[in-house]
Amino acid sequence: AQKVTQAQTEISVVEKEDVTLDCVYETRDTTYYLFWYKQPPSGELVFLIRRNSFDEQNEISGRYSWNFQKSTSSFNFTITASQVVDSAVYFCALSGEGSSNTGKLIFGQGTTLQVKP
Amino acid sequence: GAGVSQSPRYKVAKRGQDVALRCDPISGHVSLFWYQQALGQGPEFLTYFQNEAQLDKSGLPSDRFFAERPEGSVSTLKIQRTQQEDSAVYLCASSHLRNTEAFFGQGTRLTVV
Repeated sequence: AQKVTQAQTEISVVEKEDVTLDCVYETRDTTYYLFWYKQPPSGELVFLIRRNSFDEQNEISGRYSWNFQKSTSSFNFTITASQVVDSAVYFCALSGEGSSNTGKLIFGQGTTLQVKP
Repeated sequence: GAGVSQSPRYKVAKRGQDVALRCDPISGHVSLFWYQQALGQGPEFLTYFQNEAQLDKSGLPSDRFFAERPEGSVSTLKIQRTQQEDSAVYLCASSHLRNTEAFFGQGTRLTVV
């Protein structure tokens, strides 16, 4: 079975603080893909990153960075110098190349990030 | 339009009423997904289309839920005899290929009263 766990339900930080959102996944697939999406109050899920299971290099995009560690089945997301506009719900998601090879996403419960000015 | 478009944005239905939710995917996208998002939860998969073929409907919660994509573009999710537990946001997503970036619409918020 595939599962994504985001243990942090809500995080509140003050602007300019760094914040890390945790994501732990379970899968039996050897080939799989991990995603992060942002959901602002408007409701639309905004794609942030896609990483395949064979690429464990960390990635940085501006203030965003991702740490993928297969040994601990984790794909954590760090926002450096947070801003009020970063306030949203963030979802980690998984898709696999297993028997249900449709590309459907298995989402975690989401972490609500509030950045206060 | 450039993105995935869903209509209506909001729908209030009386219990027992049938509803139809529409999704216009990005032009040329082969894959189309429907997800259900309950309040405070992550989206949950309902069904998947590859062009006009519905290849996976394992997430549909009951036989009251039906989806179609007859010409491989626009898709409709129909819910018959709505129940209160059907109240949720229904999200549509499309992607060019499997396991690539999926683009989501803004969703339809269904409230069953």
